[in-house]
Amino acid sequence: EVQLVDSGGGLVQPGGSLRLSCAASGFTFSSYGMNWVRQAPGKGLEWVSYISSNGRSIYYADSMKGRFTISRDNAKKSLYLQMNSLRDEDTAVYYCARGDLTRFDPWGQGTLVTVSS
Amino acid sequence: QSALTQPASVSGSPGQSITISCTGTSSDVGGYNYVSWYQQHTGKAPKLMIYEVSNRPSGVSNRFSGSKSGNTASLNISGLQAEDEADYYCSSYTSSRTAVFGGGTKVTVL
Repeated sequence: EVQLVDSGGGLVQPGGSLRLSCAASGFTFSSYGMNWVRQAPGKGLEWVSYISSNGRSIYYADSMKGRFTISRDNAKKSLYLQMNSLRDEDTAVYYCARGDLTRFDPWGQGTLVTVSS
Repeated sequence: QSALTQPASVSGSPGQSITISCTGTSSDVGGYNYVSWYQQHTGKAPKLMIYEVSNRPSGVSNRFSGSKSGNTASLNISGLQAEDEADYYCSSYTSSRTAVFGGGTKVTVL
């Protein structure tokens, strides 16, 4: 069964940092691009970042550039999102999702990041 | 990148058909056949329902269909069922090598 498990969320103060992880199983992780997508409470989906299968191509949404860093470890079948200089408006459920920007499937269960003092 | 435009809500009675629109620009929806649609039930992760405008993944009911004309894509749900009540989001690849989602549409089965 293809599965993605998100982890690493929690409560962090404004200006703080957090590292999210996504563990993949049931498919050849190293053959697929991966994404992070977030959803603020009661709001819609917002694409965050993409990394290609070999890690050489990386793209970010404008509002995340310079603060967030996506990375992957194909040997560990894991995807990461390092988030720095966090703001109140970064509060959201963060999902990892397999895909190449043209479709996202499947999705992890999500991990909640709360930025608050 | 501005979000794609979707109606906030659409409703229908069981058995009826409904259509959800998704309007973008020539830099996203109109420029590529890379529109996808997602269903999200409350408290759950999104699920891919349609990809590349009109293709259904294995396991998705054929009551769901997609199309596109110009800068507007559409998701049609026929034979509406209670289990179809959920939020629906469109997404498109963009000329900036990013992805953009619509604001979401809440589907209510009356």
